[in-house]
Amino acid sequence: AQSVTQLGSHVSVSEGALVLLRCNYSSSVPPYLFWYVQYPNQGLQLLLKYTTGATLVKGINGFEAEFKKSETSFHLTKPSAHMSDAAEYFCAVSGETSYDKVIFGPGTSLSVIP
Amino acid sequence: NAGVTQTPKFQVLKTGQSMTLQCAQDMNHNSMYWYRQDPGMGLRLIYYSASEGTTDKGEVPNGYNVSRLNKREFSLRLESAAPSQTSVYFCASNIGRGTFSYEQYFGPGTRLTVT
Repeated sequence: AQSVTQLGSHVSVSEGALVLLRCNYSSSVPPYLFWYVQYPNQGLQLLLKYTTGATLVKGINGFEAEFKKSETSFHLTKPSAHMSDAAEYFCAVSGETSYDKVIFGPGTSLSVIP
Repeated sequence: NAGVTQTPKFQVLKTGQSMTLQCAQDMNHNSMYWYRQDPGMGLRLIYYSASEGTTDKGEVPNGYNVSRLNKREFSLRLESAAPSQTSVYFCASNIGRGTFSYEQYFGPGTRLTVT
């Protein structure tokens, strides 16, 4: 069965510093991979997704992620953190079941220090 | 275009009470989902509906029932609430073409406390 792990339940970065949120997955089929962001007291919204093709995926708000099959990873990065990036980030995988089921990781809470 | 809407936003129940969480989407999506979110556990799927008239159990269905009333609406019912059901509940929808490449759209959530 598919699964997702996210290293670090809490990550703190200084404003302007690199953001790196780690995601590793397991899947018996070629995965579809997603990063979602959740701002306080809101639902989740899509940041970016990998389906097929280019392994470096660009999303909203300056985020990008690279699919590395050999490392079974899909880490999320942003060159320069902004205060507004403080949120919960979820990595997710799909593609293994007969319907559009998505498996979510436990989430990483990002804090941005001024 | 409101996307996915949920009611109520907050609810406090006593153990043993029942309630129904309502969800509606206006994007003409086929698939709808109910998740619960608990600290450190991400989102866990409670029930899923691939299309009007069909529902399937997810990871944590015990204590819940669902109804796909029509293509737009998907409700979640707690027949006899328990403190373990204290959580934030999210409804989501997906275009549902079975290709896995489409993202899910989430509602704002219902914060439920059972005392």
